[in-house]
Amino acid sequence: GAGVSQTPSNKVTEKGKYVELRCDPISGHTALYWYRQSLGQGPEFLIYFQGTGAADDSGLPNDRFFAVRPEGSVSTLKIQRTERGDSAVYLCASSQGLAGGSNEQFFGPGTRLTVL
Amino acid sequence: SQQGEEDPQALSIQEGENATMNCSYKTSINNLQWYRQNSGRGLVHLILIRSNEREKHSGRLRVTLDTSKKSSSLLITASRAADTASYFCATRGSNYKLTFGKGTLLTVNP
Repeated sequence: GAGVSQTPSNKVTEKGKYVELRCDPISGHTALYWYRQSLGQGPEFLIYFQGTGAADDSGLPNDRFFAVRPEGSVSTLKIQRTERGDSAVYLCASSQGLAGGSNEQFFGPGTRLTVL
Repeated sequence: SQQGEEDPQALSIQEGENATMNCSYKTSINNLQWYRQNSGRGLVHLILIRSNEREKHSGRLRVTLDTSKKSSSLLITASRAADTASYFCATRGSNYKLTFGKGTLLTVNP
């Protein structure tokens, strides 16, 4: 079916607020990734899910960031007590995640988060 | 942290010319991938080259990989205005994580 979708496409919030960003991966893709892209930079890895579990969360900048994928499909990235430095485009990607596969990651259009 | 470094940071050419972008990286890799991004969103996968490959072609794209120098190049032949975008190299190590460079902004003038 469709590619990776992300909602909302834009989110403006105030410093200190809580936000949730949603990612719908390609159907059947077991691997899901979150990246963050600041202006003028390449995407930076945040977290990787294989199925329901976070296989690698080493890119999360601090404990204000948390992500879940309870049923192994849709994922939500949650940011508590947002700071102005959290402003960026948050990208989600999915792949088949097969061992030995090409691991081509298909990216969504991103959510542009602006913290005022 | 960024693994790859693209060079140049920005490139402006005329339609029909070839564009060459380079990428250097620091650690050993499983494969290296090139992506295109328009208007700061929508990363599109272009081509993947494995660590045991030296050259790969896809349409107007040619990618080379030199693991001894930890570098790769992307050549776009006969460029078109629609090729205007940012181009990123991304490396994959032993896990599934991709590590991106800062990108090259390519402008193709009609």
